[in-house]
Amino acid sequence: DTAVSQTPKYLVTQMGNDKSIKCEQNLGHDTMYWYKQDSKKFLKIMFSYNNKELIINETVPNRFSPKSPDKAHLNLHINSLELGDSAVYFCASSHTGTGVVAEAFFGQGTRLTVV
Amino acid sequence: SQKIEQNSEALNIQEGKTATLTCNYTNYSPAYLQWYRQDPGRGPVFLLLIRENEKEKRKERLKVTFDTTLKQSLFHITASQPADSATYLCALDMSGSTLGRLYFGRGTQLTVWP
Repeated sequence: DTAVSQTPKYLVTQMGNDKSIKCEQNLGHDTMYWYKQDSKKFLKIMFSYNNKELIINETVPNRFSPKSPDKAHLNLHINSLELGDSAVYFCASSHTGTGVVAEAFFGQGTRLTVV
Repeated sequence: SQKIEQNSEALNIQEGKTATLTCNYTNYSPAYLQWYRQDPGRGPVFLLLIRENEKEKRKERLKVTFDTTLKQSLFHITASQPADSATYLCALDMSGSTLGRLYFGRGTQLTVWP
């Protein structure tokens, strides 16, 4: 039983294309995230959703659009892909709430290569 | 702006020694701090969490300290083994609220050689 699963694991596409990455968690968490890990391995938060509501958008180009159809899913759609978008994208989830301190669970990552 | 620094990109130690990794932060007072392990090609995996009112936390061979005055956390692995080789990340929740806003340092790549 995979707690946080992302698809696809690898994605190779040409510049200018539009692509989506899907994420699902079966942990019953109310908060989901997208992180980008660049070639220098820096893990940078992109978006955070709590109960399907956007909480954080960390100066991400508007070519990136997250969509949360329900609490268990947070998909990432990227328009007009650029070379600099090449990275590993991680989905994560956690439980948040008053007095709750909880760790994040990560998916296995999607390695996006834009050529 | 908030800043999280792990001041060693890489640390190489011999098996059996204690590895000590450092995480410093500025411009924020987090309620808690977390440490994660990341292996190549995998997502980060949670190891330990320490709250601001805790000085030290232990789990098997792992120990974390949290000094809110120095704005620093130390992560120790005692009796290190080659299997401990990985990248270790510290993370802070910067939201100041109950909502998740988890920011990571750049990580320290630990190599334990036999």
